[in-house]
Amino acid sequence: DTAVSQTPKYLVTQMGNDKSIKCEQNLGHDTMYWYKQDSKKFLKIMFSYNNKELIINETVPNRFSPKSPDKAHLNLHINSLELGDSAVYFCASSQDLGLAGVRRETQYFGPGTRLLVL
Amino acid sequence: GENVEQHPSTLSVQEGDSAVIKCTYSDSASNYFPWYKQELGKRPQLIIDIRSNVGEKKDQRIAVTLNKTAKHFSLHITETQPEDSAVYFCAASPLTNRDDKIIFGKGTRLHILP
Repeated sequence: DTAVSQTPKYLVTQMGNDKSIKCEQNLGHDTMYWYKQDSKKFLKIMFSYNNKELIINETVPNRFSPKSPDKAHLNLHINSLELGDSAVYFCASSQDLGLAGVRRETQYFGPGTRLLVL
Repeated sequence: GENVEQHPSTLSVQEGDSAVIKCTYSDSASNYFPWYKQELGKRPQLIIDIRSNVGEKKDQRIAVTLNKTAKHFSLHITETQPEDSAVYFCAASPLTNRDDKIIFGKGTRLHILP
């Protein structure tokens, strides 16, 4: 069983288009993330959600809008795609310990979505 | 905010020899230091982690050391094998508040030479 899944795996699109990437986790985790990995393999956090609440919002263009319909899903919608958006986008999840609000540390990554903007 | 530096960016090691990857961090509040391995075309996966109350941790051929005073930590892989070829990421985080991020180093591409 896939713990963290993403769709689509590959996405090739024209500049200016709007696209969405979906993520689902079946681990029962409370927290989900979006990371961007550029061509140099640098992994950078974009957003995190805890129980559908936005917690981390890095300096990301507002063309990127995350949406968490429930704690098992975190989708990423990108408007007006630009060439520089080409990257691999990873979803991840981890488990909050609850009372102390401290996350269990291990982040489980999805397989990635390879986005190419032409 | 936290800044994590990782060296070297590329490392080639003869099969059977040891590999060492080093990282430094800037935020003294960081207390959690994971290492992730990413094989070509695959997702990053946790291979080992260490917390600030521990100086060293070992799991079979992999070990991690932490020097909190100097703010650096290292990954050691002994008796390297071809399947160790991958990109390795160190990371650091305080992980005490919900908005604490895990900050990744820029990665080390490890090549195991036959």
